[in-house]
Amino acid sequence: AQSVTQLGSHVSVSEGALVLLRCNYSSSVPPYLFWYVQYPNQGLQLLLKYTTGATLVKGINGFEAEFKKSETSFHLTKPSAHMSDAAEYFCAVSLNPSYDKVIFGPGTSLSVIP
Amino acid sequence: GAGVSQSPRYKVTKRGQDVALRCDPISGHVSLYWYRQALGQGPEFLTYFNYEAQQDKSGLPNDRFSAERPEGSISTLTIQRTEQRDSAMYRCASSLPRGGGPKETQYFGPGTRLLVL
Repeated sequence: AQSVTQLGSHVSVSEGALVLLRCNYSSSVPPYLFWYVQYPNQGLQLLLKYTTGATLVKGINGFEAEFKKSETSFHLTKPSAHMSDAAEYFCAVSLNPSYDKVIFGPGTSLSVIP
Repeated sequence: GAGVSQSPRYKVTKRGQDVALRCDPISGHVSLYWYRQALGQGPEFLTYFNYEAQQDKSGLPNDRFSAERPEGSISTLTIQRTEQRDSAMYRCASSLPRGGGPKETQYFGPGTRLLVL
């Protein structure tokens, strides 16, 4: 069975500072990995995904994540935080989301301080 | 095209009443998923369909919860004899476009916030 842990339920960064949101997963087979963002009072929006191939994945709004199999991690980063990045971020894993459920982590709430 | 839509967006009901939540997936999407999200938590899988067939209902918490997708498009999640612990955001997602395109992405609707008094 797959599972996802996100270290830190709440992260605060200054505007312009590096954003690092941590995600570790467990899976018996190579998984598909996702980061979703949820802005206040809105639905979940896909930021980026890893399926196969290049382990460094670039997403929308300047975010990227690197799949590290040896560390079973898929941390999300952005070089310079913007006020508009304040939101809830969910890491997720699936065997194959075309036909299997997606398992979500508990989420990390990101605050950006002016 | 249009995204996943859900109705109602908000539902307040009294304990013991039945509720029906509707999901209209992206046109042409084969797979449809239901998730439940408690406040401060990540979405939790409930059930999913390929076309009209319910493939996995292992996440449904008990037999008060049921879902259907009779024509392989719109789906309804029904909760019978609601309890206060059923209060949550219920989210629907769809994926796997028949006509081709990204297979791995699940697109989420805005959710239905259910409050059981």
